[in-house]
Amino acid sequence: EAQVTQNPRYLITVTGKKLTVTCSQNMNHEYMSWYRQDPGLGLRQIYYSMNVEVTDKGDVPEGYKVSRKEKRNFPLILESPSPNQTSLYFCASSSGGIGTYEQYFGPGTRLTVT
Amino acid sequence: AQSVTQLGSHVSVSEGALVLLRCNYSSSVPPYLFWYVQYPNQGLQLLLKYTSAATLVKGINGFEAEFKKSETSFHLTKPSAHMSDAAEYFCAVSDPPLNNNDMRFGAGTRLTVKP
Repeated sequence: EAQVTQNPRYLITVTGKKLTVTCSQNMNHEYMSWYRQDPGLGLRQIYYSMNVEVTDKGDVPEGYKVSRKEKRNFPLILESPSPNQTSLYFCASSSGGIGTYEQYFGPGTRLTVT
Repeated sequence: AQSVTQLGSHVSVSEGALVLLRCNYSSSVPPYLFWYVQYPNQGLQLLLKYTSAATLVKGINGFEAEFKKSETSFHLTKPSAHMSDAAEYFCAVSDPPLNNNDMRFGAGTRLTVKP
């Protein structure tokens, strides 16, 4: 089954404790993105990747890091989480440019930083 | 930069009634427009997209949307609501000629369907 998986689905952590949210897709897609969803703001792009070792900032990259060492994986790293990073996070992948092709979304990771 | 505005954060309809979710866009070039749906506790799923071909676009689950350049709108409709349509709907815009790595989402509209 074609899918995007994220782990964990739920995470509660404390300020400053480094964490990683994993994302994996099995569709051999070149493009992958991370979004955060906040009430009243919709989805905002954090980072995206066009291929292995090619990443770039989205609209809200501050406080986040990403890496793309393998085509299927695109982890999101919060080196020192803060309460304003409490949000619902989605990973997505697409076979081509994000602005043209359908994006396939993972189920989401709900992060709470206390 | 391109943007979208979704009018109405909450819409409630009765089962069998017309569904109309509003989306207006702003873009300096001919846009690509998308509607995504998010069912409870799930990721987003593409309903339909407009990419400068036919102005009336048909999507999954009986939804359709019409691109109206004069009104800068891309409203989503369904003739008869079903209980299973209850979800949050997001309109999104991109402008691939300028930037094919960017898509801007609206704030979302939560649809409630009453029995």
